[in-house]
Parts: sequence; C-alpha cells; structure tokens
Amino acid sequence: EPEVTQTPSHQVTQMGQEVILRCVPISNHLYFYWYRQILGQKVEFLVSFYNNEISEKSEIFDDQFSVERPDGSNFTLKIRSTKLEDSAMYFCASSEGPGREYGYTFGSGTRLTVV
Amino acid sequence: QKEVEQNSGPLSVPEGAIASLNCTYSDRVSQSFFWYRQYSGKSPELIMSIYSNGDKEDGRFTAQLNKASQYVSLLIRDSQPSDSATYLCAAYGQNFVFGPGTRLSVLP
Repeated sequence: EPEVTQTPSHQVTQMGQEVILRCVPISNHLYFYWYRQILGQKVEFLVSFYNNEISEKSEIFDDQFSVERPDGSNFTLKIRSTKLEDSAMYFCASSEGPGREYGYTFGSGTRLTVV
Repeated sequence: QKEVEQNSGPLSVPEGAIASLNCTYSDRVSQSFFWYRQYSGKSPELIMSIYSNGDKEDGRFTAQLNKASQYVSLLIRDSQPSDSATYLCAAYGQNFVFGPGTRLSVLP
C-alpha cells in the first residue's frame, strides 16, 4: 500500500538552529499538509500546499516556518531558529483530492526535540 | 465552543463489547467528518469518513452523524485488545481540525 515517507524519524537540535523535515508524499497525491502534535496534546494543523503554493496556514505557521516542494517528489518543512516549544511530533500528510472528500494519509512522523 | 470536542477518557470496555466514542463540533467545521485511530507514538490512521446524516458501516465500525445536534459517533463492535488506542475525531472546515482524542482501553 502506498505510504507517505518522512525523514528523519527523530531529530535532535540545539535551540536557535534551523531544521528541515522531509516528506515524500504518495506519488499521485496533489495536496500536501504539515501537522504537529506536542506530546500529550492534540494534532494541530500547520499548513496546506497545493499547486506549488500554500493554500492555507494556521496561526502557528508564522515567519519561523516555511515549506517547499523542491522537486517532483519531496515536500519539506523548514523551521528557523528553533525554540524549546517547537519540540513535537511533526506529521506530513497527503491526499489525492480535496481533504474534505478524501481524507489524509499521514506519514509516520518526525519527532523533533529542541534542547 | 471549541471546534471539535471529545471526551478524553479513558474509556474501558471488556473484550467483545461495543465501544461507543463521541464527538461534537462547531458550525465552523461542518463539511465532512473522519475518524482516525492513533496508537501511542504513531501517526493517525484513517478509519472511516461520513458526510451525510445517518449511519455508515465498515466492518466492525459504524459511524453516526447527526448534523442537527452537531454530533458524530463511532461504534466499534466486538472490541478487541488491539483496538486499544486513541481515537481522533476530525472535522473539515477549511482544513482538518482534530479533536483531542478519546483513549480506548479494551480489557481482555
């Protein structure tokens, strides 16, 4: 069964450093998303991406964050100047069509720990 | 009102029983509804979706939607210990909004 692949599975970084989280969505999917889940809390929407541009973003997704689809397969989330409170599990997701009709397929996540 | 609300649990049921998970939502997220299952430390897995009032069955799972009451539920028949997980209700407004999840424990 097709999967959304995320790398690395675990990333430890020092406060103030930049990190790039990588995702390979399912190949025929057109809509891409990033969510995060702080330990013990709910899954929170960060950003959606379609047709090579951001379609929606949450209040969490401020200037510290950016997304990119550098080629036909990868979808990345960059976090600049990381803070302790950025420590969370970051999930990439993709869908074949609009999420309201298709639902999302989530990757296995990247656990980001900022120390 | 928060957009999607769920009882955090834990909900404990004996093996073989019916587990009933509930979710309420606000007007801002009312297009379509999804149930996800999340094992500890893992990513959410889609169980099923529902868009119209009434019941929708898929194997041991039945989703129920009542738009007038802004209420969605998930019934799990013949619960198994492997069903023990956190169940996330997600509602679609402009994007998916997840509830906090209900932790289900199925006791052998």
